[in-house]
Amino acid sequence: RKEVEQDPGPFNVPEGATVAFNCTYSNSASQSFFWYRQDCRKEPKLLMSVYSSGNEDGRFTAQLNRASQYISLLIRDSKLSDSATYLCVVRTSGSARQLTFGSGTQLTVLP
Amino acid sequence: GAVVSQHPSRVICKSGTSVKIECRSLDFQATTMFWYRQFPKQSLMLMATSNEGSKATYEQGVEKDKFLINHASLTLSTLTVTSAHPEDSSFYICSATVGEVLDGYTFGSGTRLTVV
Repeated sequence: RKEVEQDPGPFNVPEGATVAFNCTYSNSASQSFFWYRQDCRKEPKLLMSVYSSGNEDGRFTAQLNRASQYISLLIRDSKLSDSATYLCVVRTSGSARQLTFGSGTQLTVLP
Repeated sequence: GAVVSQHPSRVICKSGTSVKIECRSLDFQATTMFWYRQFPKQSLMLMATSNEGSKATYEQGVEKDKFLINHASLTLSTLTVTSAHPEDSSFYICSATVGEVLDGYTFGSGTRLTVV
């Protein structure tokens, strides 16, 4: 079983749609959680951290369920520019050596 | 915010040659730099962690004699792929931090290596 699992997609949605991505992690000692966005042939860029109470940044909402070891990302009112691969990233300690990346979920927003 | 510069962005080399990739922290001194590799449609995989002035720590399965890492200053780490082969073709990405970072990490722009 992979340490961080994501549905690879692809998700093809029309502009304005709401789309949700799920991620599960296997290590219960995981401490920090992130969603990154990676455009084709580019480096990952931090989209948002995920906090236990859930957090929102504009059209993006992240949720964490520690009991189920489950993380989600909700994108509302999708834009064409949201097309990218979304990476779920988990850290098991304070060190970046313990960063584990999911393989990503590909999103294409269609006009 | 922290900026990490990586060079070159793209390189094509012949099998058997060596390629050097540079990672620089532009506006901060990075005590630790990380090197990742990403194959198409796969996760980023940590290859090694380098600390300024000391030897790099390699992850299991990564050959330290093939992937030479030098972190000679607080702003520069280099990864040299020695005697490159086609199976080394990949996207190499670095990340740099100052001490422990409580929030997300900043990555270099990546280097796409193609070995022919």
